[in-house]
Amino acid sequence: QVQLVESGGGVVQPGGSLRLSCAASGFTFSIYGMHWVRQAPGKGLEWVAFIQYDGSNKYYADSVKGRFTISRDNSKNTLYLQMNSLRAEDTAVYYCAKDGLRYSFVLNWFDPWGQGTLVTVSS
Amino acid sequence: QSALTQPASVSGSPGQSITISCTGTSSDVGSYNLVSWYQQYPGKAPKLMIYEGSKRPSGVSNRFSGSKSGNTASLTISGLQAEDEADYYCCSYAGSSTFGVFGGGTKLTVL
Repeated sequence: QVQLVESGGGVVQPGGSLRLSCAASGFTFSIYGMHWVRQAPGKGLEWVAFIQYDGSNKYYADSVKGRFTISRDNSKNTLYLQMNSLRAEDTAVYYCAKDGLRYSFVLNWFDPWGQGTLVTVSS
Repeated sequence: QSALTQPASVSGSPGQSITISCTGTSSDVGSYNLVSWYQQYPGKAPKLMIYEGSKRPSGVSNRFSGSKSGNTASLTISGLQAEDEADYYCCSYAGSSTFGVFGGGTKLTVL
């Protein structure tokens, strides 16, 4: 079955960096766009970033633009999120999610989602 | 402040129907047929309930339905059951500049 497993979360000081990974299985990873979505404690969902199936186009929320970089390795069926210059407001559970349509360059829908990994930015 | 506006909470008794609204603008909900809805239980990952405004994924109960009129999308749950008590979020594509926007979420309480 389709499965997404995030890893790499943890506690980091303000200004620090962290790289999240999302291991995909059960589907042809290389033909689907992928997203990162986050949820601050007790808050709602926030779309963070999208990468097209072949990595050719990337989109970011204004709140992370210039600090976060989304990437993928289709040979390893793995999605990444490099997070630099972290702030307290980046504290959240980070989910990776597969886009609903093959070869898409827009946000169609998220299905499925991983279980999430918690990032805590604190001194 | 979220880009899409949802009521913070709704409630209903078992067997009743409820509707959750999701109001956006002509730049997101009104421009694209790409509204999706998600159900989330505490401590769990969200689950897709409706995509492309009104389509239901395989395995989702037909008690869940979606619609859209202008800049407002809606999720209706009929025949409420205790297991429907959860948070519900709408999401829309918003063009290549903004890309993705969520509603603030609605907490559904089954009385």
